[in-house]
Amino acid sequence: AQSVTQPDIHITVSEGASLELRCNYSYGATPYLFWYVQSPGQGLQLLLKYFSGDTLVQGIKGFEAEFKRSQSSFNLRKPSVHWSDAAEYFCAGGPSGGSYIPTFGRGTSLIVHP
Amino acid sequence: GAGVSQSPSNKVTEKGKDVELRCDPISGHTALYWYRQSLGQGLEFLIYFQGNSAPDKSGLPSDRFSAERTGGSVSTLTIQRTQQEDSAVYLCASSRRLAGAWDEQFFGPGTRLTVL
Repeated sequence: AQSVTQPDIHITVSEGASLELRCNYSYGATPYLFWYVQSPGQGLQLLLKYFSGDTLVQGIKGFEAEFKRSQSSFNLRKPSVHWSDAAEYFCAGGPSGGSYIPTFGRGTSLIVHP
Repeated sequence: GAGVSQSPSNKVTEKGKDVELRCDPISGHTALYWYRQSLGQGLEFLIYFQGNSAPDKSGLPSDRFSAERTGGSVSTLTIQRTQQEDSAVYLCASSRRLAGAWDEQFFGPGTRLTVL
């Protein structure tokens, strides 16, 4: 089945360290991919999206993600994590065309140690 | 500008009762989605409205769940004869989603439903 997978349920990093959250997709054609963040008690907020073009996508809050077709991945990165980045991160996506209903990964919970 | 709003923010009900959850999307957004988020789980798609087209109900888990969208704006998700397994956070999202294109979703804060 076409889907989005986040292999890591929890990630723990120290404040100031770099971060990479993994996302793999299984769509045949070029997918549409998103990263959302959900802070405690908050709704989901879009960090960045990839539709086509440049495979390195810049988002808000200093996040970026790189689309790698050869690896079917769209990993989220940040060079230096802040304590306020502690949240749940969701990768979502869907195939070009189709129903336009994105499928969400199970989420990765980011824990930031001082 | 105003974002997506949902009401109530919290709902506690007894097993077997019916509940209605409301979503006010961003003005002008043609697409509206309902998701369910259970503890430690990702987002489970429930139903999708796009303009005046028939809704995509493929994610509704049972016939106890239904939704409508009046006037292409406000949506109501109804759960009849609630069960304890219906306890979850119900999220609504809207999107401009122009025909034939993807667009980002804007999410509401959710309604936390607890079925006792």
